[in-house]
Amino acid sequence: AQKITQTQPGMFVQEKEAVTLDCTYDTSDQSYGLFWYKQPSSGEMIFLIYQGSYDEQNATEGRYSLNFQKARKSANLVISASQLGDSAMYFCAMRGSNAGNMLTFGGGTRLMVKP
Amino acid sequence: DTAVSQTPKYLVTQMGNDKSIKCEQNLGHDTMYWYKQDSKKFLKIMFSYNNKELIINETVPNRFSPKSPDKAHLNLHINSLELGDSAVYFCASSQEASGTPRNEQFFGPGTRLTVL
Repeated sequence: AQKITQTQPGMFVQEKEAVTLDCTYDTSDQSYGLFWYKQPSSGEMIFLIYQGSYDEQNATEGRYSLNFQKARKSANLVISASQLGDSAMYFCAMRGSNAGNMLTFGGGTRLMVKP
Repeated sequence: DTAVSQTPKYLVTQMGNDKSIKCEQNLGHDTMYWYKQDSKKFLKIMFSYNNKELIINETVPNRFSPKSPDKAHLNLHINSLELGDSAVYFCASSQEASGTPRNEQFFGPGTRLTVL
């Protein structure tokens, strides 16, 4: 069974500062993928970044980067230079070798950016 | 150019009714999914479906059934609705036949179901 844990139900960050959202996972699969999604108050799910378990380098997508520590089973999302529009729910998700390619989601972190 | 669309966006109905939510994707993807997001924002997979195989999360009641008239559509039928079915339901799609591990799932806008 796969499990994703996000221990920060809510976080505040000052505009223009960087913030790290924590994600730890548990799986017995050797090959897996880790994803981060953003859900603004409007409700849609927006894909942000992906990290494969065999990727040697940490993933980066614009202001988003993923701090992947495989031995610790963590995949923290780092958002640099926070903007007011970054205020949203953030979900860490995982896909292993399960049938159906289904994603297992963490409980989410609500990020609030202060002006 | 909506990639994954769902109708209706809002659905309010009485307990015991039967309802359907439609989902369409124009991305040419081969796999579609249904997820449920409860009032605490927790997202849980319900079904995964491609043209060969339906995978059902074992915790989903059999009152829920996906139906796919073609590769671009995966509708969700719910029979005998209960109060606990109130949630936001998301459809998603991905291309799994490409063989790459980075098969991100694209989500629809969600359907908010309220059972009274």
